[in-house]
Amino acid sequence: GAGVSQTPSNKVTEKGKYVELRCDPISGHTALYWYRQSLGQGPEFLIYFQGTGAADDSGLPNDRFFAVRPEGSVSTLKIQRTERGDSAVYLCASSRGAGIQFFGPGTRLTVL
Amino acid sequence: GENVEQHPSTLSVQEGDSAVIKCTYSDSASNYFPWYKQELGKRPQLIIDIRSNVGEKKDQRIAVTLNKTAKHFSLHITETQPEDSAVYFCAASRNNNDMRFGAGTRLTVKP
Repeated sequence: GAGVSQTPSNKVTEKGKYVELRCDPISGHTALYWYRQSLGQGPEFLIYFQGTGAADDSGLPNDRFFAVRPEGSVSTLKIQRTERGDSAVYLCASSRGAGIQFFGPGTRLTVL
Repeated sequence: GENVEQHPSTLSVQEGDSAVIKCTYSDSASNYFPWYKQELGKRPQLIIDIRSNVGEKKDQRIAVTLNKTAKHFSLHITETQPEDSAVYFCAASRNNNDMRFGAGTRLTVKP
């Protein structure tokens, strides 16, 4: 079946703008995770959903970052008033319950 | 919260030799330890994982060992091949939910 997909694959925006990044998990996977990966670093945990609710959002760096998963499937990561330091690859992963996490290809965000 | 440290940051071996990557973690409640391989520009892919109820797990040329007392775990790759060249990440979590990754090891296997 299809794996985790993310759109867009690349996003270039200007400082101060608002962006939305989308993640489509593997069908049937109840858990969904967002990570941020900067160049030369490991993925940094941001938030994870179990169903529609955010079970742990302790990794979100500040209140400019927000994520939703209204129907328990697709999730959107929203970043307000983007800053140059937000530039990174944003990875999404999904799992069946507490099973293995499968990653998407990521969205490369560049804030000019 | 959990803190995972990984070393070395880079590792170069000759084809056919073994490679060992080590990680330590801080949260004694962590019980799931996966290893991911990430090729340039690609997504991380799970290569092996271990849970805290076992001390060692092997899958062909890849093995992982876990020492819960010392809070460290290691990845062992034997008979390395050029296609093993990639960045490898360890991670630790409680029940695979709040995974924390190490900074990665760039492995180069020279033919």
